[in-house]
Amino acid sequence: DIQMTQSPSSLSASVGDRVTITCRASQDISNYLTWFQQKPGKAPKSLIYAASSLQSGVPSRFSGSGSGTDFTLTISSLQPEDFATYYCQQYNTYPLTFGGGTKVEIK
Amino acid sequence: EVQLVESGGGLVKPGGSLRLSCAASGFTFSSYTMNWVRQSPGKGLEWVSSINTNSDYIYYADSVKGRFTISRDNAKNSLYLQMNSLRAEDTAVFYCARDSKYSSGEFDSWGRGTLVTVSS
Repeated sequence: DIQMTQSPSSLSASVGDRVTITCRASQDISNYLTWFQQKPGKAPKSLIYAASSLQSGVPSRFSGSGSGTDFTLTISSLQPEDFATYYCQQYNTYPLTFGGGTKVEIK
Repeated sequence: EVQLVESGGGLVKPGGSLRLSCAASGFTFSSYTMNWVRQSPGKGLEWVSSINTNSDYIYYADSVKGRFTISRDNAKNSLYLQMNSLRAEDTAVFYCARDSKYSSGEFDSWGRGTLVTVSS
């Protein structure tokens, strides 16, 4: 199985900060990576697919990059509604696997 | 608007069974691969199972293989998960998720989930 390792597991940031979350795959997954945002008690929401493509309706302050084994999600200017947990997921191979999540909290 | 509504969760004893349903609307259900994903309390996300449009490709996580069965009824726009031999570690919110039309395993829509609690 492909292991997905996210870092950090949590971070504290202020409104307006630039935030970067990394995700590493245990083997090459090309660009078959997606990022989700999840708020407490809510379903996950897709932000990025194919490592760097923005889902329709997602604000442009979110961006993704990377290929192969190393990926990043960047929020260019953190907004109050962005405080949530973020997950990466690979879809190169079954079983589909998720990173452990990064909780973004208010500083 | 795409809507996925899960139902069927509840409290069940270890060793028991439960059948989850996911009612889909707002899109042509028969054209999309569908999935179940779960999240244990306070934990991360775990993919459970996938089924393609005409049910001839089905995948399971090792943790549920032989105990869970995914199925769909395209005429009823519904996805199902039959869960047998339930264990305490199956306690989770179960989400129904739709694959994107472009890539297998990439989820573009999720339901709000249904809670399954396995406890004596």
